[in-house]
Amino acid sequence: DIVLTQSPATLSLSPGERATLSCRASQSVNIYLAWYQQKPGQAPRLLIYDASNRAPGIPARFSGSGSGTDFTLTISSLEPEDFAVYYCQQRDNWPALSFGGGTKVEIK
Amino acid sequence: QVQLVESGGGVVHPGMSLRLSCVASGFTFSSHAMHWVRQSPGQGLDWVSYIYYDGKNIYYTDSVKGRFTISRDNSNSTLFLQMNSLRVEDTAIYYCVRDRRYCLNGVCQGRGWYFDLWGRGTLVTVTS
Repeated sequence: DIVLTQSPATLSLSPGERATLSCRASQSVNIYLAWYQQKPGQAPRLLIYDASNRAPGIPARFSGSGSGTDFTLTISSLEPEDFAVYYCQQRDNWPALSFGGGTKVEIK
Repeated sequence: QVQLVESGGGVVHPGMSLRLSCVASGFTFSSHAMHWVRQSPGQGLDWVSYIYYDGKNIYYTDSVKGRFTISRDNSNSTLFLQMNSLRVEDTAIYYCVRDRRYCLNGVCQGRGWYFDLWGRGTLVTVTS
């Protein structure tokens, strides 16, 4: 099974700052990686698919990059509503897909 | 309004059964594969099961094989998850989730196994 490791576990930043989240796969997943945002008490929301494609309605401040085993989600300038938990997910070897453990972006 | 609404969760003892339902609205349910994804309290996300848009292909995560059954009723835009022999470790919020891939008249667009629409979830608690 492919293990996704997200880092850091918690990121403490202020509004307006840049957030850089990492997701590392235990083996190559090509570009087949997605990012989701989850706020407390809510379901996750798809942000990015195929490593770098924004889902419909997702603001341009969210961007994804990477391929193979190393991926990055960048939030260029944090808005108050961006403080949440972010998960990566690979679909390269479906149906054995997997999620990372999450990165919490909290207000500093 | 495009949405998924789950129901059927509850508190049960180990070994008991539950049937979850998910009613879809605002989109062509029969054109999308569907999934169940669960999240244990305070924990991360785990994919549980998948059913193709026509119901012909079905997959399960290993821990639920032989105990859970996914099905769908396209005429009523409803997804189901029959959960038997429930275990304490099945305790979680169960989300009904739409696959991003879209199929119409046998022609499919987009890459699947990404989750682009989620319900609010239904809580299943298995406790002795």
